[in-house]
Amino acid sequence: GAGVSQSPSNKVTEKGKDVELRCDPISGHTALYWYRQSLGQGLEFLIYFQGNSAPDKSGLPSDRFSAERTGGSVSTLTIQRTQQEDSAVYLCASSLLGGARNTEAFFGQGTRLTVV
Amino acid sequence: QQQVKQSPQSLIVQKGGIPIINCAYENTAFDYFPWYQQFPGKGPALLIAIRPDVSEKKEGRFTISFNKSAKQFSLHIMDSQPGDSATYFCAAPTNTGGFKTIFGAGTRLFVKA
Repeated sequence: GAGVSQSPSNKVTEKGKDVELRCDPISGHTALYWYRQSLGQGLEFLIYFQGNSAPDKSGLPSDRFSAERTGGSVSTLTIQRTQQEDSAVYLCASSLLGGARNTEAFFGQGTRLTVV
Repeated sequence: QQQVKQSPQSLIVQKGGIPIINCAYENTAFDYFPWYQQFPGKGPALLIAIRPDVSEKKEGRFTISFNKSAKQFSLHIMDSQPGDSATYFCAAPTNTGGFKTIFGAGTRLFVKA
């Protein structure tokens, strides 16, 4: 596809269960971001992948959160032992360049996670 | 953690008015200043961006004004329309703890018909 694709678009899970959220970035984009957006709130940075460099995990809120990016393309955000406060929209974005040469970030539609 | 401070949090204007949204940044190494627009249920999308070698950039009804000495940049929407009602985010790259893009808290704009 032409844009950033995220799946699933909606996920309802029980408290304590693990969830995996997937992001397919635009082909050729070296930078990939995960952000979290709570209802009516701003964008909270979670993690950033840039090429083959070690990811910047400084925004992950706890050790229950992890992410990987395989082959420099698809990324998966995993939340273990989900809590109700994890309920939010998780947004993925990719950009052609990153680091000091920042360029436009293209966002996916997001995954709306609801923990019940 | 370096920040991008955005104001106001919300804004209501009449159709045809000129809403102005402001952002202040800290890191003088920033060299790319975008504004993103987000409609409900959608991801943010780039609206307009500026590099610090110019003080103003216009694209249609949208203008960015950039004040390098004050470390501020603002978005102006000329002849605002109800369809402009959305949340607007400013953003800037930071090199603290590694390069990444950080966003302002967002401004909810409502344009009355």
